[in-house]
Amino acid sequence: GDSVTQMEGPVTLSEEAFLTINCTYTATGYPSLFWYVQYPGEGLQLLLKATKADDKGSNKGFEATYRKETTSFHLEKGSVQVSDSAVYFCALSPNQAGTALIFGKGTTLSVSS
Amino acid sequence: SQTIHQWPATLVQPVGSPLSLECTVEGTSNPNLYWYRQAAGRGLQLLFYSVGIGQISSEVPQNLSASRPQDRQFILSSKKLLLSDSGFYLCAWSLTSAGELFFGEGSRLTVL
Repeated sequence: GDSVTQMEGPVTLSEEAFLTINCTYTATGYPSLFWYVQYPGEGLQLLLKATKADDKGSNKGFEATYRKETTSFHLEKGSVQVSDSAVYFCALSPNQAGTALIFGKGTTLSVSS
Repeated sequence: SQTIHQWPATLVQPVGSPLSLECTVEGTSNPNLYWYRQAAGRGLQLLFYSVGIGQISSEVPQNLSASRPQDRQFILSSKKLLLSDSGFYLCAWSLTSAGELFFGEGSRLTVL
């Protein structure tokens, strides 16, 4: 079945460092891809999304490009801030009736000043 | 605009006691509704989803159940809690099946 694999954490960075969190997927159809962010003690918020190959999602300085050839949707940010410390989830939508989003296990990011 | 609320925010219950977590969505009609559980180090596990009143699909057989008595209300229940039921429970809704999800604030359950 469809699945999402994202890099194990935690990821620890200094402020202003470059961030990459890897995400790869397995899907039989034409999925949509998402990144969600969860701040401590809160629910998940949508960070960005892409619905077809070569689309680039972006928000709050974060970017991810839907790469069908490598089945990847890596999250990047050029300069992280302490406030970016959170858990990041990559997710896939099979775009089929009767299904739900499939999430990766999450990657914890910790940014220090 | 649409909003989603779930309660209680935190709950401490003894083993063997019942559970009821509630979730309501406002500002939309006939949403798809979901219950996820987030256990430490295990990511998000889909427990139940519903595409309409009285229509519940279970993803994981266990001692939890879900009900949808009204269009925008989704309830997670248990008759007898187990230690392994501890976790962070998240309710979510979407406009379409497998569409973008909007999450509630979460309910942290500790079973002692």
